[in-house]
Amino acid sequence: NAGVTQTPKFQVLKTGQSMTLQCAQDMNHNSMYWYRQDPGMGLRLIYYSASEGTTDKGEVPNGYNVSRLNKREFSLRLESAAPSQTSVYFCASSVLAGRAQYFGPGTRLTVT
Amino acid sequence: GQQLNQSPQSMFIQEGEDVSMNCTSSSIFNTWLWYKQDPGEGPVLLIALYKAGELTSNGRLTAQFGITRKDSFLNISASIPSDVGIYFCAGQELAGSYQLTFGKGTKLSVIP
Repeated sequence: NAGVTQTPKFQVLKTGQSMTLQCAQDMNHNSMYWYRQDPGMGLRLIYYSASEGTTDKGEVPNGYNVSRLNKREFSLRLESAAPSQTSVYFCASSVLAGRAQYFGPGTRLTVT
Repeated sequence: GQQLNQSPQSMFIQEGEDVSMNCTSSSIFNTWLWYKQDPGEGPVLLIALYKAGELTSNGRLTAQFGITRKDSFLNISASIPSDVGIYFCAGQELAGSYQLTFGKGTKLSVIP
């Protein structure tokens, strides 16, 4: 039982490049989330998926897109990376809204 | 948006001492969560609280959901060096909400 897994662990992009961050959970959770964590800003919600087939914007969605591929997998895409998107990205999941969220190990992204 | 006031911001304690930290909000919360984050890792859920007045333990950790629903505390008894890290509180303001509000964290240092 791995919990929430994320790939890659580290990534360096040049401005304008695109990439997709992958997330998978094996806890049979319905809801999944993408956060970014920046010094002094804490964790901020980018997008979430309440259940398979639905996605909604969080606090900071600009510059990102998401896909809930199936119940297990939720990906985050940066279409044209910008230096302001340099951050640590965490995926999380919960069985339902209002229940505890479990986080993955993170992806450390640098955009130059 | 809603902010959680977490205190203290940092603390240095001797190994074996007990630790207490707390979070307060200006509005009612329906869920309180406590996480620990080690450098370079994702937040790990320590304790989840869902009812006002609830007192829950996880090994040497004890957390309580305040009766007013506007606060929560986390106690660590008999601290050990591996307790070092940043402790975050998080809460869900609206019942059934997907959004978590995070405290800014308490950085704990344990002196052997």
